[in-house]
Amino acid sequence: DQQVKQNSPSLSVQEGRISILNCDYTNSMFDYFLWYKKYPAEGPTFLISISSIKDKNEDGRFTVFLNKSAKHLSLHIVPSQPGDSAVYFCAASEGSGTYKYIFGTGTRLKVLA
Amino acid sequence: KAGVTQTPRYLIKTRGQQVTLSCSPISGHRSVSWYQQTPGQGLQFLFEYFSETQRNKGNFPGRFSGRQFSNSRSEMNVSTLELGDSALYLCASSPPSIGGANGYTFGSGTRLTVV
Repeated sequence: DQQVKQNSPSLSVQEGRISILNCDYTNSMFDYFLWYKKYPAEGPTFLISISSIKDKNEDGRFTVFLNKSAKHLSLHIVPSQPGDSAVYFCAASEGSGTYKYIFGTGTRLKVLA
Repeated sequence: KAGVTQTPRYLIKTRGQQVTLSCSPISGHRSVSWYQQTPGQGLQFLFEYFSETQRNKGNFPGRFSGRQFSNSRSEMNVSTLELGDSALYLCASSPPSIGGANGYTFGSGTRLTVV
């Protein structure tokens, strides 16, 4: 039973364009969400987070949008750069203080130069 | 400063054997979490230790166990290995002042292959 779903296993985008990565969840108790980026042979690195009291959080080229009614969040990368090519995981939890996170299966983003 | 160190990086074991993986967190980090990554399942939470106590546990069978030492180093053990245990095992540490996975620093993982 996958509580956090990333239905697109891969995505290709031209350099300079917008990348939109999507994530859906089923547990209405989730109230804290994160995105992680993973390069091959490295551990995931934290990218950006959002709590359920917000519907948008922005950090430089990265913006996360949360639609609670649809149980959907998305990560926008603008403009996309070749160095953004990686696997992106979304994760969710009940509260920001917990250490137990449910991760999605990941989306492999390829930014074409 | 040194990151999260996981050893060994690669491991090949036979079905039925047991294995121990090690994780040294960043100095000062007292929370250590373990995740299993497989292609079809993403990252799945195994357990989290803080001050030598297991605080959170995922939905894995009892063959998966862990412990944490007084210096915050952690080990996880898998007994009676099955082919399906082949995965990348990731350890993450977090400082006490930052709650949750936004404070995680992941190690590079141990790639376990069961044959």
